[in-house]
Amino acid sequence: DAGITQSPRYKITETGRQVTLMCHQTWSHSYMFWYRQDLGHGLRLIYYSAAADITDKGEVPDGYVVSRSKTENFPLTLESATRSQTSVYFCASTNADSRMLYFGPGTRLTVT
Amino acid sequence: AQTVTQSQPEMSVQEAETVTLSCTYDTSESDYYLFWYKQPPSRQMILVIRQEAYKQQNATENRFSVNFQKAAKSFSLKISDSQLGDAAMYFCAYRGNTDKLIFGTGTRLQVFP
Repeated sequence: DAGITQSPRYKITETGRQVTLMCHQTWSHSYMFWYRQDLGHGLRLIYYSAAADITDKGEVPDGYVVSRSKTENFPLTLESATRSQTSVYFCASTNADSRMLYFGPGTRLTVT
Repeated sequence: AQTVTQSQPEMSVQEAETVTLSCTYDTSESDYYLFWYKQPPSRQMILVIRQEAYKQQNATENRFSVNFQKAAKSFSLKISDSQLGDAAMYFCAYRGNTDKLIFGTGTRLQVFP
């Protein structure tokens, strides 16, 4: 089915472990985004990408790494997970000429 | 840097009544877009309405309308004839020339029968 998917939907990991959250979209949208959602903070932008091999930092990039080798995929890696990274993570995508953002279903990550 | 502020953490409305959610933003850009997103308990983000800054006419989508005051940098959402299904978190968002979409902290709307 066309759309934007995230995997896993739920993840529990331990402090210090590396974790990768996957995001895949089938629209060939040029722009992709990663947000984290925490109570009292709304959605905060972690990283975004305007095209394959082009990525930029958002509001809260520390502790995260992204890559965009293919247009349809935009994985987010926590290099050494910390408890403060416990959150719900949303991936989103859009085209350059579209101002509407389409969101994935979210990944709930718990770091113990 | 652009910022979006939602000063109402929670709002409530009775079914069939009208409610207005507030949003203010700060930017030095002249061309930008503003959005309202709805997030129900399922967590999926749903676009409610969007407004282009160059358009003076306020956007409307069925029961949803906005009051866009560019000089005041205000972008409120009015929900008319509220329904139980309107209960959700509502986020105001801004997108300018940098292509980033910046969100406010959200307003939780409760709808009472």
